[in-house]
Amino acid sequence: GESVGLHLPTLSVQEGDNSIINCAYSNSASDYFIWYKQESGKGPQFIIDIRSNMDKRQGQRVTVLLNKTVKHLSLQIAATQPGDSAVYFCAEGGGSNYKLTFGKGTLLTVNP
Amino acid sequence: DAGITQSPRHKVTETGTPVTLRCHQTENHRYMYWYRQDPGHGLRLIHYSYGVKDTDKGEVSDGYSVSRSKTEDFLLTLESATSSQTSVYFCATWTQESTDTQYFGPGTRLTVL
Repeated sequence: GESVGLHLPTLSVQEGDNSIINCAYSNSASDYFIWYKQESGKGPQFIIDIRSNMDKRQGQRVTVLLNKTVKHLSLQIAATQPGDSAVYFCAEGGGSNYKLTFGKGTLLTVNP
Repeated sequence: DAGITQSPRHKVTETGTPVTLRCHQTENHRYMYWYRQDPGHGLRLIHYSYGVKDTDKGEVSDGYSVSRSKTEDFLLTLESATSSQTSVYFCATWTQESTDTQYFGPGTRLTVL
């Protein structure tokens, strides 16, 4: 079957470089945001989240930045490794409806 | 992964046949979801459940039905499969254990010939 990675924006980086993946979200009322990683043939995997009352949050080798003024979210991956190659997508949610809206994703390819 | 399993993992069927996909979770999460994922469309919500016997439609619910008779199981049924329902189907549950997020199962690849 056709890979989920086709038809997506792509980012190609060298191993060891830092990667920045961007996402524009749609709902100014969203109050939490999540980044997922999806490897080929697998389900999406939670990476990191951020609440709307924050501008930045750091995890292990990853940082998420939130700019509510322009409804923009970014994921920074430090010292990118071949194992980071995957599709990355953002999701936004809010209120009490326990539902998320997902972006279409970016395909990250890490060259050794 | 919130102990989510999906069965079958792969299925090939013919147009017009009924198909049921199963999602099983072991974490006692109240909310469960079915998505389909297609190239160029990302993840789209089909149906979701907010408790036993409590379900609601998502954005692409036509041609699909769901049932949840137990907390741990959420079934997705294609009453009469069509080629447009060829897709990868993911189940997810909502957890608030350390953060508000959805955790996903491994997916079911369905091909309708």
